[in-house]
Amino acid sequence: AQSVTQLGSHVSVSEGALVLLRCNYSSSVPPYLFWYVQYPNQGLQLLLKYTTGATLVKGINGFEAEFKKSETSFHLTKPSAHMSDAAEYFCAVSDQAAGNKLTFGGGTRVLVKP
Amino acid sequence: EAEVAQSPRYKITEKSQAVAFWCDPISGHATLYWYRQILGQGPELLVQFQDESVVDDSQLPKDRFSAERLKGVDSTLKIQPAELGDSAMYLCASSFGADTGELFFGEGSRLTVL
Repeated sequence: AQSVTQLGSHVSVSEGALVLLRCNYSSSVPPYLFWYVQYPNQGLQLLLKYTTGATLVKGINGFEAEFKKSETSFHLTKPSAHMSDAAEYFCAVSDQAAGNKLTFGGGTRVLVKP
Repeated sequence: EAEVAQSPRYKITEKSQAVAFWCDPISGHATLYWYRQILGQGPELLVQFQDESVVDDSQLPKDRFSAERLKGVDSTLKIQPAELGDSAMYLCASSFGADTGELFFGEGSRLTVL
C-alpha cells in the first residue's frame, strides 16, 4: 500500500524567504507524485506532478519539487514566499496498481508573515 | 475554463437525518471520485467511478453511505442516517482517465452534523 508523510503540519515563513515543504512516500512501484494546494474553503488545485523523466519538476506560482528515489522524497520549494502563498499544501502519490488511486499526506499549512 | 461543479457548498443537518451531495464533472471526464476531508487532514477516497461503474468503494461506509453515477456523467453521494463523525468536507474530483492520477477538484461541500 502507498503512504505519504508530510513533516510539519504548520510552517511559518517570512515574505521573501525560502519555502520548503517536506514529503516522503512509500511505494512498491515507481510512483507518480503530486503536490496540490488548497485555499480556505476551496477544493484542491494541482501545483505540479512527477511521472517520468526529469526529476526536477517546475509548477505554477514559482514552485518546484525534486524527486529523489534514493531518499523516497518529493520536497516542494519556492525561493521567495509571497503573501498569496498562504494555504495548505498536500503531497500525494498515485497507486498505479490500483487504478491510479491518489493517497494524500496529512497536509502542511503555510503561514506567510509580512 | 471547465470546472467541477458541486452542490450544496454548505449543509447543516441534525444527526439521523439524510443528506445528499451532487457533483457534475468536467465534460468528457470518464473518471469521477468522491473524497472526504476531515478538518486538519488530507482527503481520503470514498469511491471512484469509471463511467457509470464503481471501480473502488473499499473505504465507503456502506451501511450509511451510497453513491451513484447512473448515466456516467453527474453523481450523487448520499448519507443516511448522518452521524456526528460525518462532519467534513466532501470533495468531488474528475479526470479524463485513470492513467495519470491528475485530478480536477470541485470546491467541495462542507457538512456539519449537529
